[in-house]
This record gives sequence, C-alpha cells and structure tokens, in this order.
Amino acid sequence: DIQMTQSPSTLSASVGDRVNITCRASQSIRNWLAWYQQKPGKAPKLLIYHASNLESGVPLRFSGSGSGTEFTLTISSLQPDDFATYYCQQYDDYFGFGPGTKVDIK
Amino acid sequence: QVQLVQSGAELKKPGSSVKVSCKASGGTFGDYGLTWVRQAPGQALEWMGVIIPDLGTIKYAQKFQGRVTITADGSTSTAYMDLSSLRFDDTAVYYCARVGVAYSSSSYFDNWGQGTQVTVSS
Repeated sequence: DIQMTQSPSTLSASVGDRVNITCRASQSIRNWLAWYQQKPGKAPKLLIYHASNLESGVPLRFSGSGSGTEFTLTISSLQPDDFATYYCQQYDDYFGFGPGTKVDIK
Repeated sequence: QVQLVQSGAELKKPGSSVKVSCKASGGTFGDYGLTWVRQAPGQALEWMGVIIPDLGTIKYAQKFQGRVTITADGSTSTAYMDLSSLRFDDTAVYYCARVGVAYSSSSYFDNWGQGTQVTVSS
C-alpha cells in the first residue's frame, strides 16, 4: 500500500498569509494526486486534481505543485473562508488519503 | 451539476449490518464510478470501495474485503454500501462520491454526498 503523509499536522496563520502544505507519498504516484478542503460537519470539496489542475470554481489563490513523491498545496493569501482541514489523496494505486492538515487562526 | 443524496442516519447494534444508499441526479449514471469513503470522529478520510456500474467493475480496500458490498441500481440511479459484522469502531460518517473521470476506477472525486452518520452502540 502507498502511505501518504502531510506536514504540518496543524498550521496557525493569519488572514493574508501565504500558506504551504506538504504531502509525501511512500513511492512515486506520478502526478495522480488531489487536494480536498473539509470544514466541520461538511463533506470534502475537491480543490486540485492531477497535482496542479484547479477544479472549476475554486479561487485562484489555491495552487498545487509537485510530482513523484512530494507535493505542495499553496494558498497565496489566506482568506477567512479558508480556515479548514486539507487532505491530499493519491489515486495511482487504488486510493489513499493523507492524515490531514488543519489550518486555524493564529 | 451532479448531486448525490444519501440516506439518513443509522443506529446499529454490534454484529449487525447497515446499508447506506446514494442517489445520483443531474448527470449520467453508470459511466462514472461511485466510491465510498468513511470518516471516524476526529479522524482522516478512509477509502472503502468503488463501483463503475456500466462496466461491472467493483474494487474494495483490503481492510474491508469480505465485510463490505457495494452495488448499484441503474433504474434508480442509486448506489449502495452494505457493511456487515459491525463493530464499535465502525462508528463514522460514510460518504459517497463520484469519480471524476468516466469509466475510471482510479481518479479524483469531484462530487460528494452529504454524508450518513452510522453509530454502532449496544
């Protein structure tokens, strides 16, 4: 099984900050990686697919990069609506999610 | 826009089974995979299985093999997830989601249901 890790597990930031979340895979997953945002009590929402493709309707402040085993989700200027938990997901070999990164208010 | 609507909350005894439904509307049914993901309280997302109705393709996560059954009914555009031999640690919110690429069992999930709370308690 491919193991996914994320860092940090929690990130405290302020509105306007640039935020980077890292996701690592235990083996190469090429670019078969997605990022999701989840708010309490809600279903996850797709942000990024194929590592760097922005899902329709997602604000341009979100971007994704990386390939192989290391990936990054960047929020260029954190907005109040962005405080949430973020998950990466590999779909190279079946499916697997990272443990999540909670972005909270500093 | 595809909409996935799941059945309501369930309270089950240990050792029993639960069947959760996921009705799709607003798009074609059968050519896109439907997958099931669960989330225990305070925990991460956990993939359970996927079905592509038109292809008859069904895949399960190894952890749930033998305990989970995923089916689909094209006449009602509804997918089902049946989990048997329930344990206390099966208490979770269960989500269905659509696989974002037609006829693919290995892609991102672009639309999600609202989630179904399953509680296992004696």
